[in-house]
Amino acid sequence: GNSVTQMEGPVTLSEEAFLTINCTYTATGYPSLFWYVQYPGEGLQLLLKATKADDKGSNKGFEATYRKETTSFHLEKGSVQVSDSAVYFCALSDNQGGKLIFGQGTELSVKP
Amino acid sequence: DVKVTQSSRYLVKRTGEKVFLECVQDMDHENMFWYRQDPGLGLRLIYFSYDVKMKEKGDIPEGYSVSREKKERFSLILESASTNQTSMYLCASSFSRRNNSPLHFGNGTRLTVT
Repeated sequence: GNSVTQMEGPVTLSEEAFLTINCTYTATGYPSLFWYVQYPGEGLQLLLKATKADDKGSNKGFEATYRKETTSFHLEKGSVQVSDSAVYFCALSDNQGGKLIFGQGTELSVKP
Repeated sequence: DVKVTQSSRYLVKRTGEKVFLECVQDMDHENMFWYRQDPGLGLRLIYFSYDVKMKEKGDIPEGYSVSREKKERFSLILESASTNQTSMYLCASSFSRRNNSPLHFGNGTRLTVT
């Protein structure tokens, strides 16, 4: 079946460091891919998405490129801030009515 | 902005109680979903609905039921709460079944069953 695998956390970085959170997926067909962010005490918010191969989603300095050949959708940011501390979820839409399948989440902690 | 409102942020219930978790969305979305979130497991889909009075089982429906009597409201019911249902419950809605239609989430209900 379809699935999403993320790198395990927690990830701890210093402010202004480069961030990569790895995400790979298994799916039939052509799923859409998403990154969601969950700040402490809140629900999930859509961070970015990509709907077809080679698409790049971007928002708030974060980027991810839909790589069909490697079945990956890694999240990157060039310079993280303390305010980026949150849990990040990779997800795919499974071609069956818009349900999302989520990875296990990666906690990011950014220290000043 | 889409607003998805879950009626309680925190609930504490006893084993065997019947528990209702309520969710309301204000954007006339067709689809509504209930997930539970557990550390290390991510989000797992319990039930979802594509229309009023319609419901579909997700990946972990056992011990749960749902009700959708009005388009804007989707209720999750724990018929007889058990300690293994202690979790964070997240409600979400989306505009359509298209694959690129994002989900909009509420802030969650943290349920503790003692």
